[in-house]
Amino acid sequence: GIQVEQSPPDLILQEGANSTLRCNFSDSVNNLQWFHQNPWGQLINLFYIPSGTKQNGRLSATTVATERYSLLYISSSQTTDSGVYFCAVDENYGGSQGNLIFGKGTKLSVKP
Amino acid sequence: DSGVTQTPKHLITATGQRVTLRCSPRSGDLSVYWYQQSLDQGLQFLIQYYNGEERAKGNILERFSAQQFPDLHSELNLSSLELGDSALYFCASSVGLADGWAGELFFGEGSRLTVL
Repeated sequence: GIQVEQSPPDLILQEGANSTLRCNFSDSVNNLQWFHQNPWGQLINLFYIPSGTKQNGRLSATTVATERYSLLYISSSQTTDSGVYFCAVDENYGGSQGNLIFGKGTKLSVKP
Repeated sequence: DSGVTQTPKHLITATGQRVTLRCSPRSGDLSVYWYQQSLDQGLQFLIQYYNGEERAKGNILERFSAQQFPDLHSELNLSSLELGDSALYFCASSVGLADGWAGELFFGEGSRLTVL
């Protein structure tokens, strides 16, 4: 099955700093989503981005499907950005039904 | 608020017992997915239903079963519980069109199961 690798596994930032999280995947995909899991365990949708670039406030994401990677940019980080960021993909082959395969996540800690 | 509702939010039970977790998908979504998140295994896909029918199976144990009802809500049944079943169980839903394009998945807040 498809492999999803995220880097770095851990990241500590000072408030106000910028960061880039990376997601590599081993095969072509129908769907790629980025999630933020907050300290209370909620999985919050950030981006649905199988290809291209999107921006939402201080966050933006780019997926280069032909090279099988996606990047999540966080600018001017805030303490509320802390948590785990997951990349998840849906395999693009016959029979795929939409279920997402998750990477292990990047744990982000933003210090005041 | 994702629009996906899961109950109960927390559940504590003993080994050997059986529990049922419930999920109501977003209005209009036909696909429901169940995931398990444990500390050592990460987020694992368990099973998917589309409009009442099972569509895909992941790493779901034989002690676990699920179904999707005509009103599209879904239940995940966990039986003969073991300590290792303690985890956060998520339900997700998507539009889930018949041609296989599922669309964006939205997750509920999860049901935290503790087996003592």
